[in-house]
Amino acid sequence: QVQVVESGGGVVQPGRSLTLSCKTSGFTFSETGMHWVRQAPGRGLEWVATISFNGNDRQFVESVRGRFTISRDNSENTLYLQMNRLRVEDTALYYCVKDFTRSWTLDSWGQGTLVTVSS
Amino acid sequence: IVMTQTPLSSPVTLGQPASISCRSSESLVHSERNTYLSWFHQRPGQPPRLLIYKISKRFSGVPERFSGSGAETDFTLKISRVEAEDVGVYYCMQATGFPWTFGQGTKVEI
Repeated sequence: QVQVVESGGGVVQPGRSLTLSCKTSGFTFSETGMHWVRQAPGRGLEWVATISFNGNDRQFVESVRGRFTISRDNSENTLYLQMNRLRVEDTALYYCVKDFTRSWTLDSWGQGTLVTVSS
Repeated sequence: IVMTQTPLSSPVTLGQPASISCRSSESLVHSERNTYLSWFHQRPGQPPRLLIYKISKRFSGVPERFSGSGAETDFTLKISRVEAEDVGVYYCMQATGFPWTFGQGTKVEI
């Protein structure tokens, strides 16, 4: 059974940094692309970033490019999102999501970890 | 690519059909000739779950009452007979080009 569990959220001041983690199990992590998707309180879904199975390819939404870094540790089946220079508008529930291989979609979502950026 | 859903809110009747439209600002046909349009359902307090991918393919475990159709820039999610568990917000998403983008969401309520 696929499991993805996010952690690392919290309250942080604007301009500061935070790193999210996503521990996975139940599938071959080292062969699977992964994504981060966020949802601001009461709002819709926004795709944030993706990383290929081997970490060689990464893509970001424009609003976080240059501030956020996505990485993975295939030996630990863990995905990361390092968020720097945080803004109030980054406040959201951040979901770690498994890629549905060769189908270009998102098939397994975690429960999310809440990031609140506030002074 | 901007995704636009209509309606944004849809009151439905149990046992009756329901339909949601999703339009993209440009064609979603990928260079590989696939069209990467998906539908998700999110119940209150829950993460989204995948319903449909590649326009019309039902994901594992998704009831047959859910179906997807469309091409190029116009897509539709249909529920043949709405059940109580179908309430929530439905999102379309394109993955033909980066960044992947979602529609605004359509709230379905009984």
